[in-house]
Amino acid sequence: ELKVEQNPLFLSMQEGKNYTIYCNYSTTSDRLYWYRQDPGKSLESLFVLLSNGAVKQEGRLMASLDTKARLSTLHITAAVHDLSATYFCAPVIDGGTSYGKLTFGQGTILTVHP
Amino acid sequence: EAGVAQSPRYKIIEKRQSVAFWCNPISGHATLYWYQQILGQGPKLLIQFQNNGVVDDSQLPKDRFSAERLKGVDSTLKIQPAKLEDSAVYLCASSLDNGAGRYTFGSGTRLTVV
Repeated sequence: ELKVEQNPLFLSMQEGKNYTIYCNYSTTSDRLYWYRQDPGKSLESLFVLLSNGAVKQEGRLMASLDTKARLSTLHITAAVHDLSATYFCAPVIDGGTSYGKLTFGQGTILTVHP
Repeated sequence: EAGVAQSPRYKIIEKRQSVAFWCNPISGHATLYWYQQILGQGPKLLIQFQNNGVVDDSQLPKDRFSAERLKGVDSTLKIQPAKLEDSAVYLCASSLDNGAGRYTFGSGTRLTVV
């Protein structure tokens, strides 16, 4: 069974600072997704990482994937208050009964302070 | 493109009562997923359909939960009888073909069992 661990689980940042959220997973994954969730809202897709070494950037967020290390990172550059939300990583295994199944981490609650 | 529609948005029931949730995926999306998200946790897959067939229901508590996807389009998820620990947000998602591209999530149904 695929296990997904995110750290940190809680992240309090000052505006303008940089930080990285880490996502480790236990078995080889074919692709990995990052989602954002605002309180009381559904999941918003941020990035899809499809291969080893993939890097995607959107605004102040950059995601990368190292399939050999079973690690993905979400880097935040010069944080702003609008980035405050919960961030989830979700690797996917395509095989057996797990084909196309997203397995979510616990989530990282990000709070950006002035 | 219309999104994934879910109803109701909120539901409060007493324990031992029954409840049903409805999901209408994006037109043409063959794969449909039901996730349970307990407060403070990442979503957990309950059941995955490919067209109208079940691909994975390994984490569905089958003594009380049931789901169907008639004609490979709409889906319903039922809980009977409900327990206090079923209080959660139930998210429906769909993808074109086992999530090879993007997964689109609905707004969810927030269930409170009292």
